[in-house]
Amino acid sequence: SAVISQKPSRDICQRGTSLTIQCQVDSQVTMMFWYRQQPGQSLTLIATANQGSEATYESGFVIDKFPISRPNLTFSTLTVSNMSPEDSSIYLCSVPREFANTGELFFGEGSRLTVL
Amino acid sequence: GENVEQHPSTLSVQEGDSAVIKCTYSDSASNYFPWYKQELGKRPQLIIDIRSNVGEKKDQRIAVTLNKTAKHFSLHITETQPEDSAVYFCAASSNNDMRFGAGTRLTVKP
Repeated sequence: SAVISQKPSRDICQRGTSLTIQCQVDSQVTMMFWYRQQPGQSLTLIATANQGSEATYESGFVIDKFPISRPNLTFSTLTVSNMSPEDSSIYLCSVPREFANTGELFFGEGSRLTVL
Repeated sequence: GENVEQHPSTLSVQEGDSAVIKCTYSDSASNYFPWYKQELGKRPQLIIDIRSNVGEKKDQRIAVTLNKTAKHFSLHITETQPEDSAVYFCAASSNNDMRFGAGTRLTVKP
């Protein structure tokens, strides 16, 4: 299974500020996904981060609010911009099991953001 | 796009009893159906999965069934234990596009 490291694991942020979350994978992966999990809720896909091209955003999520970088096959960042209390969530990076085409996703530990 | 519905939202059982969680999906192209367990403050962990060419799969106390015609699949946990208490998410996936159900909070009372 892939080892996925996320930083920060948690943070408390002020309204109006931005925070960048980092995701590092121990192997090269073609696709990386960013999910949001609001308190007590399910996982909602924000976007797919593809190396060498723009991220693909899901309905309801826009690049200005959640800019994503994918400089190489092992790393991605998600920025939560101009934060409001509604952005308080756990943000999870995930990658599929490569080369097996099984569809299984592995998740990072998540980054728990609290916006005051 | 895919829409996954999951029931019940909460489930409380006595230790040793069985627990069943049900999900439906909308996209007939979905071909992979995993179940994730998320303990408090931890990441979701895959516990079992099933593909669209299989009707049932079992792993010790956990089993999953899939009715592709009806587009529904279920998780069965037998002989539940307190450590089974967690939130369980079903999901449906096609080409790495995975959508999750709303989750079921399972409580196993000792």
